[in-house]
Order: sequence, then structure tokens, then C-alpha cells
Amino acid sequence: DAGITQSPRYKITETGRQVTLMCHQTWSHSYMFWYRQDLGHGLRLIYYSAAADITDKGEVPDGYVVSRSKTENFPLTLESATRSQTSVYFCASSDSGSSQPQHFGDGTRLSIL
Amino acid sequence: AQTVTQSQPEMSVQEAETVTLSCTYDTSESNYYLFWYKQPPSRQMILVIRQEAYKQQNATENRFSVNFQKAAKSFSLKISDSQLGDTAMYFCAFMKPYGQNFVFGPGTRLSVLP
Repeated sequence: DAGITQSPRYKITETGRQVTLMCHQTWSHSYMFWYRQDLGHGLRLIYYSAAADITDKGEVPDGYVVSRSKTENFPLTLESATRSQTSVYFCASSDSGSSQPQHFGDGTRLSIL
Repeated sequence: AQTVTQSQPEMSVQEAETVTLSCTYDTSESNYYLFWYKQPPSRQMILVIRQEAYKQQNATENRFSVNFQKAAKSFSLKISDSQLGDTAMYFCAFMKPYGQNFVFGPGTRLSVLP
């Protein structure tokens, strides 16, 4: 089925470890986004990508790395996880155009011990 | 930079009643888009309704409607005939044309009571 999938759905890791969250969309949308959701903050943008090989920082990029070698994939890597990165992470995509809404994956709950 | 405020962290409503969720935003743009997303306990983010700032007519989707007051920079969501399945977090979001980036409010947790 067409859509946007995130994996894993849940992840527990330790501080200092590297962890990668995966995001895959089948719509061929140009834009992809990574958000983190924390209580009281809503969703905050970490990184986004307008097309393959084009990425840009969002509001809270520190400690995260992204890549987009293929249009359909947009992985998010925490190179050295910290407890403050414990959060729920959402990937989203949208088509190009002036008014396209974003479509979201089901989120990854990441706990860093 | 744009900001979005939702002043009601939590609300509750009786089943079959009507409830209004508030959203205000700050922008210097004249054209933009506003959205309401619903996040049920399943954690999915579901688009509820959208509004183009250049349209004066308020958007409506079945039991969901908005009251868009451009001069006041207000974008409230009205849910009529509330159902138990409406229990969720509701997020207001702002987007510039071709900007693609959303700015979200902090959310309002709505509980529909039987």
C-alpha cells in the first residue's frame, strides 16, 4: 500500500550509542521532514529535505544527521545519543506545490537510558 | 518567524455536544495556509481540515469547521456532535506558500466524555 512507514516503532538504547531511525514513502513526494514531539512543545522540525541530496536544518538540528540519497528514503541518525533526545520522532512527506499538507508516519518512540 | 499558540492545554466535552478549540498565530505574511491535525492515542497524525488565508469562506469537513479571523490571526476548530472517537490531541499548524515547513502549536488534549 502507498504511504509512509517508519521503523522501528519503538527503540531503547543507551547514551553515547548511534541510532538510526528509518523513513520510507511510496508517494514519490518531493519533500520529507523529521520532527520530534515532546510534551508542551508540539512537533518541532529537526531537518527537512526538498529533494534527493538536498537537506536543510530545522528548528532543533543539533545532535542529528540526515541523508537523502533516494527520493523515497530519509533516515535520521543520532550519532551519539543523549537522554535529552528521548522523544517521539515523526517522519512526514509532502508533494511540491504551494499548499500541500504533510502526511505523517506512525512515529518512533525512542528512549535513551 | 511564525509562532502558533494554543491556549487550552486540555479540554473536555460531553458526547453529542459542540466544542471549540482555539488557535492563534503570529505572522507578517499575507498569504499562508492553516491546518488542524488530530492525534489519537494510536499516535497517528491525521489531517482534519485546512484553510487558505486568501479565502474568506471558512472551511468545513463534515462535523469539523473552522472560524478563521484573519485580522485577529485566529483559527479555531469547532467540532459538532462530538463522538468518543474524537478524543485526541489536536494540533494547529501554519505553513507559508511553497515554504513546506509547518510550524505547530503545542496542542490541545480533548477528551469526549460518555
